[in-house]
Amino acid sequence: EDQVTQSPEALRLQEGESSSLNCSYTVSGLRGLFWYRQDPGKGPEFLFTLYSAGEEKEKERLKATLTKKESFLHITAPKPEDSATYLCAVRSGGSNYKLTFGKGTLLTVNP
Amino acid sequence: DSGVTQTPKHLITATGQRVTLRCSPRSGDLSVYWYQQSLDQGLQFLIQYYNGEERAKGNILERFSAQQFPDLHSELNLSSLELGDSALYFCASSEGLEDIQYFGAGTRLSVL
Repeated sequence: EDQVTQSPEALRLQEGESSSLNCSYTVSGLRGLFWYRQDPGKGPEFLFTLYSAGEEKEKERLKATLTKKESFLHITAPKPEDSATYLCAVRSGGSNYKLTFGKGTLLTVNP
Repeated sequence: DSGVTQTPKHLITATGQRVTLRCSPRSGDLSVYWYQQSLDQGLQFLIQYYNGEERAKGNILERFSAQQFPDLHSELNLSSLELGDSALYFCASSEGLEDIQYFGAGTRLSVL
């Protein structure tokens, strides 16, 4: 069964203090690793999809990377508006198209 | 705004009751997914429909059922509700079977 573990559970940063969030996964045939951002009381908002080890994607202050066992979400010079829960999810091979989510990392960026 | 619409936003009901949650996918999306989010379990996949047909099932209870209609909107029916069913229920849609899933704002269900 697919498993996704995110760490840390919570992270507090000062504005401008760069850091990384980790997502470790176990899947049978990776068919995509997804990063979402979720604000309180809202649905997950899509950020990135990565498909193969070595792949990287960037969007503003966020950069996602992928290895065969884990993915990192690097946040460079974060701002208070980056505060949210970041969710990692995987889709594996086979006929089941579901996403298996980790429990998320709650990021708080203080001004 | 993801383009996925869920109604109602909040639902308060009593144990033993039945409720229906509604989801309208993004224009052009054929696939609809239902997820349950609770504090201790995180986001859990319930069921997926593609162009009106059930394609995948997760840990969905027998008391729960869903369907996708010809206009592609979907409904999730929850019956014989228990306190433990209180959660956020999200609908997501995608263009095809393996495309990016876009989530609605969710329905918060409170069973009292």
